[in-house]
Amino acid sequence: DTEVTQTPKHLVMGMTNKKSLKCEQHMGHRAMYWYKQKAKKPPELMFVYSYEKLSINESVPSRFSPECPNSSLLNLHLHALQPEDSALYLCASSQVGRDTDTQYFGPGTRLTVL
Amino acid sequence: DQQVKQNSPSLSVQEGRISILNCDYTNSMFDYFLWYKKYPAEGPTFLISISSIKDKNEDGRFTVFLNKSAKHLSLHIVPSQPGDSAVYFCAASVAGGTSYGKLTFGQGTILTVHP
Repeated sequence: DTEVTQTPKHLVMGMTNKKSLKCEQHMGHRAMYWYKQKAKKPPELMFVYSYEKLSINESVPSRFSPECPNSSLLNLHLHALQPEDSALYLCASSQVGRDTDTQYFGPGTRLTVL
Repeated sequence: DQQVKQNSPSLSVQEGRISILNCDYTNSMFDYFLWYKKYPAEGPTFLISISSIKDKNEDGRFTVFLNKSAKHLSLHIVPSQPGDSAVYFCAASVAGGTSYGKLTFGQGTILTVHP
């Protein structure tokens, strides 16, 4: 089973709203990731969690706030977003250790900021 | 600075023939390489990977070749099928250190397989 699930599938929000994206995996992976993908562009890494601790923050604006409540769950809290933040937000997970960088992606959440 | 490059934005192939997708990289520290396939409005699907200690890895119709001296890898799909039509991304990573977990993606190649 290499399934990563994400909810919601689509999200429309105003610039003053607060919303959260959710990601779940049951593969026993101890690393989880958030990516942002704009149309016709490759995924861009936002955050990496390793053993539930934030290990990489790619200089993401504070209006994006990640949270890893346990080894299976990853959230992305959104507040005061801008229209340019509209994109496909992808979650991924992987094992931790050498030669285990195969990341498995979820289907994504299509976010539209009005 | 684009460390992983896919110079062909698109590739068109006849069903049953070979598809060859290419990827070049500049960072000699990369030691693990992956290919992902992506349909519109879906997340990338992992296809195949290769470690820098190998020069070839096969999985069914998919074969990845790595030429470290040329900093080049390629994905061969034989035989190509219409269902293979998608965007293909190559990605690279450095194992360990502060860059652990950071995949660097190429810009993608749109593969179209015609019946």
